[in-house]
Amino acid sequence: DAMVIQNPRYQVTQFGKPVTLSCSQTLNHNVMYWYQQKSSQAPKLLFHYYDKDFNNEADTPDNFQSRRPNTSFCFLDIRSPGLGDAAMYLCATSRDLAGAHYTFGSGTRLTVV
Amino acid sequence: GQQVMQIPQYQHVQEGEDFTTYCNSSTTLSNIQWYKQRPGGHPVFLIQLVKSGEVKKQKRLTFQFGEAKKNSSLHITATQTTDVGTYFCAVTSGTYKYIFGTGTRLKVLA
Repeated sequence: DAMVIQNPRYQVTQFGKPVTLSCSQTLNHNVMYWYQQKSSQAPKLLFHYYDKDFNNEADTPDNFQSRRPNTSFCFLDIRSPGLGDAAMYLCATSRDLAGAHYTFGSGTRLTVV
Repeated sequence: GQQVMQIPQYQHVQEGEDFTTYCNSSTTLSNIQWYKQRPGGHPVFLIQLVKSGEVKKQKRLTFQFGEAKKNSSLHITATQTTDVGTYFCAVTSGTYKYIFGTGTRLKVLA
């Protein structure tokens, strides 16, 4: 089945130690998104790629970076995780930007110790 | 900026009772999507509404888009324990970006 896959499901990292979360998709969708979701809150968009074009949200901290080496893969890099970065990180894809719905991966729950 | 509020924030119902969540925007919307997120899970797309006054049904779920395209509702008839989760609306005013509402957490008591 076509899907969005996130690895790992759970990630524990040390305060200040760089960490990378990965996302892959078999849907061949043009757009890939990274969302941060904290407990009992709505998903918050960090950035997205439309094909190779990167779009950062204005309030996304510089600590968060992303890479999309090809259509199928997208990575979220957190350069120096702080305790406040502990959250569920959701990858999503959509066929196009306007009018298409999102398909979410299962998420990676990040713990910072 | 655009604000998207959902009410209620929480709802506990007895199994078999009906449930409604409302999504309200401060701006006129191009379209609205609804998602369901089970506890510990990820958001799953339910439906998209585009036209003013549009009503769509999926089994026990009824979705409605307001005439002024500033609000929407999701109604579940005769809730079941499988309906447990958080229901989010996601809205756009014409840009590519969808803003998620604050969500309504539903608990169904057997």
